[in-house]
Order: sequence, then C-alpha cells, then structure tokens
Amino acid sequence: ETGVTQTPRHLVMGMTNKKSLKCEQHLGHNAMYWYKQSAKKPLELMFVYSLEERVENNSVPSRFSPECPNSSHLFLHLHTLQPEDSALYLCASSQDTGRLAGVETQYFGPGTRLLVL
Amino acid sequence: AQRVTQPEKLLSVFKGAPVELKCNYSYSGSPELFWYVQYSRQRLQLLLRHISRESIKGFTADLNKGETSFHLKKPFAQEEDSAMYYCALHGGGGYQKVTFGTGTKLQVIP
Repeated sequence: ETGVTQTPRHLVMGMTNKKSLKCEQHLGHNAMYWYKQSAKKPLELMFVYSLEERVENNSVPSRFSPECPNSSHLFLHLHTLQPEDSALYLCASSQDTGRLAGVETQYFGPGTRLLVL
Repeated sequence: AQRVTQPEKLLSVFKGAPVELKCNYSYSGSPELFWYVQYSRQRLQLLLRHISRESIKGFTADLNKGETSFHLKKPFAQEEDSAMYYCALHGGGGYQKVTFGTGTKLQVIP
C-alpha cells in the first residue's frame, strides 16, 4: 500500500491496558507526526520526529509515549489512558528539507479511532 | 503564540452559489498558510498553500497580511465540494510546527 498507513483503524481499550498505534509511510519522507483529533476541538499536534529525532513535544501527558525506530515507522505507545483520551489519532509525514527551504506538505494517514472505557 | 480561527462550524450553500470559508490567524512572523480538506470517508489531504498561488478544484485563497486572513473562495460551488475544510498555519519554534483551525463543514445543497 502506498502513502501513509495506520494500524489498527479502530481500538477499544480499558484504562489499565497497554496498547500501541502504528504508522508507516511509503513516501520516502524523513519527518513524521502524531496528531490528536477530538470532537469540537482543532487538530492538536502531539509529537514531531525529524530524521528519527523527536523535535517537538507539545506538553503531551506521559501516558503517551512515541517511538520512531526509523524514518518509515512511527509508534504511539499508550498506557493507563483516560476516557478523555478517546479521539482520532492521525499520523502524517513530510519531507524535512531544512529550515530555510520552507514548509513541505504533510501527508496524512486514515487515522486510528480510539475509545477508552 | 500562533492561532488559527475558523469562525463557522457549518456553511451551507446551494449548488452554483459562491463559497467563502473564513480563516483568520494570529502569528508574529511570516506565516505559511494552508488549506486541508477531508472528504467523507477519506483522509485529510492538502488542498492548497498560499505560496503556490494556485487554484485547485476551482478554489483560491489569498493571504491578506493586513487583515491576517486566508479565506478560501470558489465562485460556483459543486456538490462534490461538500467536505470538512481546515485552515492551517506553519511557523514558529521549528518550522514544522503547525496549528490547525477547528474546521468548517461545507455542505453544498443540490
């Protein structure tokens, strides 16, 4: 499959569970992102990885733990989540061409719909 | 701090009518503004970006720094334009930092 893929597409978990979301990009990009999309709220940028290094962490609770083992894969490890963490989690990727080159378009995955009970 | 405001949650227009989706931003530097679109059951995707100064699917958007706006316009709405539209600002504290608006749902009535 081309583009950005995410698994699972749907996930239901209890507050004591540990689960992981997976994102894979097939575009040769070197930057990857996690976003949270909740009802009635704007898309919230959670984490940014560029060249496999975390460059942005927007005050996300520690119960969310990202991992970027290589430029094609991004994980979001979930532990002891709260019901308010229920949302659509989107992964995106882009080509990081350097600060002076401007911003490149982000390509989004289909998202993982998470429900925390 | 950077902020993007889309004041309308829902915009309903008749087919063939003009469309204007509003976006205002707050940012102290030189922003790069984007419009993303999400059609039903499809992923979020880029519609256009202001530096390209292009028209995509009949849509255009002009960056107005004086009014800090980046409204999305189309002269004649089509049914297939019905979707969620998100305005996004890239800038500040690392050039990959991006802020999205809350989105506007465009509903084109046949």
